Amino acid sequence: AQSVTQLGSHVSVSEGALVLLRCNYSSSVPPYLFWYVQYPNQGLQLLLKYTTGATLVKGINGFEAEFKKSETSFHLTKPSAHMSDAAEYFCAVSDRAGTYKYIFGTGTRLKVLA
Amino acid sequence: DTGVSQDPRHKITKRGQNVTFRCDPISEHNRLYWYRQTLGQGPEFLTYFQNEAQLEKSRLLSDRFSAERPKGSFSTLEIQRTEQGDSAMYLCASSLGLAGTNSYEQYFGPGTRLTVT
Repeated sequence: AQSVTQLGSHVSVSEGALVLLRCNYSSSVPPYLFWYVQYPNQGLQLLLKYTTGATLVKGINGFEAEFKKSETSFHLTKPSAHMSDAAEYFCAVSDRAGTYKYIFGTGTRLKVLA
Repeated sequence: DTGVSQDPRHKITKRGQNVTFRCDPISEHNRLYWYRQTLGQGPEFLTYFQNEAQLEKSRLLSDRFSAERPKGSFSTLEIQRTEQGDSAMYLCASSLGLAGTNSYEQYFGPGTRLTVT
């Protein structure tokens, strides 16, 4: 069965500092991988995805993530944090066939300090 | 393209009452998902439709829950005899999922927050 682990339920960074949110997955076959952001009382917005091809994936708002098969990781980074990045971030995996339903991690709440 | 919409956005109900939520997916999307999100947790899969067919249901979906997607368009999720443990955000998502397109990402609606008192 697939699973996702997000290390650190809360992460604080200073404005302008590097953002690093960690995601490790468990899957018997390479999955599709996704990062979503959720602002208070809103749905989830897709930041980026890895399906095939280049393992370094660029997304919206300056975020990127690298798929590392050997480490079963898909960490999310952003070189310079903005106040508007404060939100909850979810990593998700899905199968490459069937329903493509998501298995989500428990989320990481990012706080950006002025 | 107006995105995925859900109605109502908020619902407060008394224990034992029935509630129904509606989801309107992106118009050309053939795949539709329902998830439940409780405080401090990631969303958990409830059920999946491909067009009008309900192809998978989670064990989280007790017999008090029923979902439909008539004609493969909008979907409804009904909870009968609500319990306090049903209090959560119910999220709907849709995707295009055409073979060969590699486009299996899901687009989420704003959710319906249910409070059972």
